[in-house]
Amino acid sequence: GAVVSQHPSRVICKSGTSVKIECRSLDFQATTMFWYRQFPKQSLMLMATSNEGSKATYEQGVEKDKFLINHASLTLSTLTVTSAHPEDSSFYICSAMYGNTEAFFGQGTRLTVV
Amino acid sequence: GNSVTQMEGPVTLSEEAFLTINCTYTATGYPSLFWYVQYPGEGLQLLLKATKADDKGSNKGFEATYRKETTSFHLEKGSVQVSDSAVYFCALSPDSNYQLIWGAGTKLIIKP
Repeated sequence: GAVVSQHPSRVICKSGTSVKIECRSLDFQATTMFWYRQFPKQSLMLMATSNEGSKATYEQGVEKDKFLINHASLTLSTLTVTSAHPEDSSFYICSAMYGNTEAFFGQGTRLTVV
Repeated sequence: GNSVTQMEGPVTLSEEAFLTINCTYTATGYPSLFWYVQYPGEGLQLLLKATKADDKGSNKGFEATYRKETTSFHLEKGSVQVSDSAVYFCALSPDSNYQLIWGAGTKLIIKP
């Protein structure tokens, strides 16, 4: 299947700093990318959906000013956690798809804010 | 609303044992149903799917049947291997936009 690369796989940052997570589709053009967050022992929660060249659509309860999503090209979407706090510590996963085909997932990023 | 409930883990089995991981759902309309697997250190991978009632998805020896009458999509495998150790997620897609609703995941540990 197609490959989606997510970077970094782990990051530790200080409270108050910002962290950028990249999601790249390596061998296909992703018209749509999704960002998920997973709390321990809970489901993946959809945070936002982004289409190339347009603003992301955020799910209810997700702060768009805190979780900045940029889908700048057909192969790259970034999630920036701004002014991170310990409660933002979580596992973040992106997925990418072309049209209405299967969604392919990155390996996830474990964010720890200290 | 739409939701997915799957059995809590971890599930620990011996090699060659029979596996069942339960998954039930609530949804309006006719969702598609999926099982994803996440091996250690890797991304989620689609394991199998079913798009309508009574469909059976199968892959790598795993099977799941879309049961509308019981709103279930239980994952089964007749003889598990150590290499099947992973986290398994049940999910549904209520429409064609591929926005997935996820279960909490079930960690499977297979001991030799």
